[in-house]
Order: sequence, then structure tokens, then C-alpha cells
Amino acid sequence: SQQGEEDPQALSIQEGENATMNCSYKTSINNLQWYRQNSGRGLVHLILIRSNEREKHSGRLRVTLDTSKKSSSLLITASRAADTASYFCATARIQGAQKLVFGQGTRLTINP
Amino acid sequence: DTGVSQDPRHKITKRGQNVTFRCDPISEHNRLYWYRQTLGQGPEFLTYFQNEAQLEKSRLLSDRFSAERPKGSFSTLEIQRTEQGDSAMYLCASSPPTGGDSPLHFGNGTRLTVT
Repeated sequence: SQQGEEDPQALSIQEGENATMNCSYKTSINNLQWYRQNSGRGLVHLILIRSNEREKHSGRLRVTLDTSKKSSSLLITASRAADTASYFCATARIQGAQKLVFGQGTRLTINP
Repeated sequence: DTGVSQDPRHKITKRGQNVTFRCDPISEHNRLYWYRQTLGQGPEFLTYFQNEAQLEKSRLLSDRFSAERPKGSFSTLEIQRTEQGDSAMYLCASSPPTGGDSPLHFGNGTRLTVT
């Protein structure tokens, strides 16, 4: 079953703009991860944020986590055409949990 | 590090046939996972190995599905008597034995079409 729900399901913006995707989940978690998937390819890990962290940065990526609202957001700044992909959040309920529960993803299109 | 390798990339089979997929994880990774992804959805967990031991199986893994990792290196996923509902992308991932929460490294998947 899918725990995470991403919003929006699809997002189309102009190159250079910022893109924000949201993820909500239902149960308590140890960490939340974001992955990117290009069409027809496997998933690539982007960033991991632990339950005791509120914000994390990696290059043009900024992730926030609000455990009281059971939600997370992924911000991509200064978007590029190469950022066009599907983005998934995934949650791990306990530390070292082997089973990640993925959301349905946000399809991001960056228009040149 | 050549990444996680999956073979074949595409498989078309007729309903009722058996299929087998192979996954070669990153060499130093002792953890291996299988996920299934249908169109427009996120990946769904199927099963997990630590070395050669299969430690967790999802209820999605019916009796027609079997996964093995005989020597703790590569893994195979077999689907017997395929059904049209088995059509999906089958993704393999691996992670290292380090402590904490290591991200998963995914292969490019095997796309199965059952006609």
C-alpha cells in the first residue's frame, strides 16, 4: 500500500523557476527520502531527512519535514530542463528499516 | 562500481508462461530488494534479502512469485503462470551493509508485458 501521497500529481513550469512538491504520510517515521525517476529508468536517491531534522539542503534541493503534520516538501530552485522527471517521496518507519514505502509521485516538466 | 544491473530490460510473454528476471547488485552491497511499479504509481515493495537470506516478503508476492539469492550476490525473481495483471516494471535495488539508513541504489528495471 502507498503511504505517501504527493501533491501535485503533475507540475509544469518554465526553466529557471522554482518547483515545489509536497508529500504527506500517515504513520510515524524514522526518515523520509526523495527519489527522482527519469522516464523508463530506475530511481535515483536525492536526499534523506531524519525525523528529528526539520530542513536539509543539497545543491539546488531543499527538503523540509514537519512531523506534526506528517508532511514534507521538496523545493528545486532555478529549475533546468534536465530536472524533468518524476519525483517520489519514500518513508522508513524504523531505523534501518528495509522496506521503503513510496508515494505515487509528482511528474515535473520543465519547459525551456 | 557499475551500478545495479538488471536483465532483461524488456520481456514480452504470453499469459500462462513463466518468466525469470535477474539482478546483479553493486558488488559490496549485501542488501538486495525487489520492487514492482505499475504505470503512474510509485514502486511497491516485494521482498528483501540480506546476503542470501530472504528476510521479508510482501503480501503482494503471491505463490506464483519466487525470489532467490543463492550465493548472496545476484538474485532472480521468477513469476510462474503469468497473468495480465503482472504487467509492470520490476525494479531491483541494493544497499551497503553500513549502519544507519543507507539510500537504495536502483537498477533500470525489467519491463514485463503479459499479453
